[in-house]
Amino acid sequence: SQKIEQNSEALNIQEGKTATLTCNYTNYSPAYLQWYRQDPGRGPVFLLLIRENEKEKRKERLKVTFDTTLKQSLFHITASQPADSATYLCALDRGNNRLAFGKGNQVVVIP
Amino acid sequence: NAGVTQTPKFRVLKTGQSMTLLCAQDMNHEYMYWYRQDPGMGLRLIHYSVGEGTTAKGEVPDGYNVSRLKKQNFLLGLESAAPSQTSVYFCASLSQYGSYEQYFGPGTRLTVT
Repeated sequence: SQKIEQNSEALNIQEGKTATLTCNYTNYSPAYLQWYRQDPGRGPVFLLLIRENEKEKRKERLKVTFDTTLKQSLFHITASQPADSATYLCALDRGNNRLAFGKGNQVVVIP
Repeated sequence: NAGVTQTPKFRVLKTGQSMTLLCAQDMNHEYMYWYRQDPGMGLRLIHYSVGEGTTAKGEVPDGYNVSRLKKQNFLLGLESAAPSQTSVYFCASLSQYGSYEQYFGPGTRLTVT
């Protein structure tokens, strides 16, 4: 069966450190993978997209890697700040402009 | 430019009642989606639309109907609400010009008692 796995435990991290989140998937062959941020009581907000032929993508303090052999994406927040505290969702392309979402991974940045 | 808006924000229904959730977008996007989000589960696709007048089933369509009579609006209907439909519902839209970024509304929190 198809699965998208994100760590269910919250990641508590000290301000200024790098937060790293993992997204593993099985039985998908996504052409691209996306990461979204979701704050409590709000809808998800798009952060980054990485295509299957790209190894790494960066945007300001965010970095995403995509390994289609390992079926894994890593999401990094460098120099983390309390404002980065949120839940981060991994989303895979399912074809026909549909996405399959992971359950999300909460990040708490401690001042 | 309001983006994606959803009404209502909150609703409480009794089992067996019906209601319609409205999603509107002002970005001229071709694609629109309805998701539900439950604790401990990822967003799950209920129905989606690839253009005005078209709809298609997602992962969890049972108990829901949708309509896309106008390009900017996507309606989600519950004909006979059940407690299992207690959830937070999100609408999203996507441009047809290949950015792949979905824009989400603020959500509707629905409780069925």
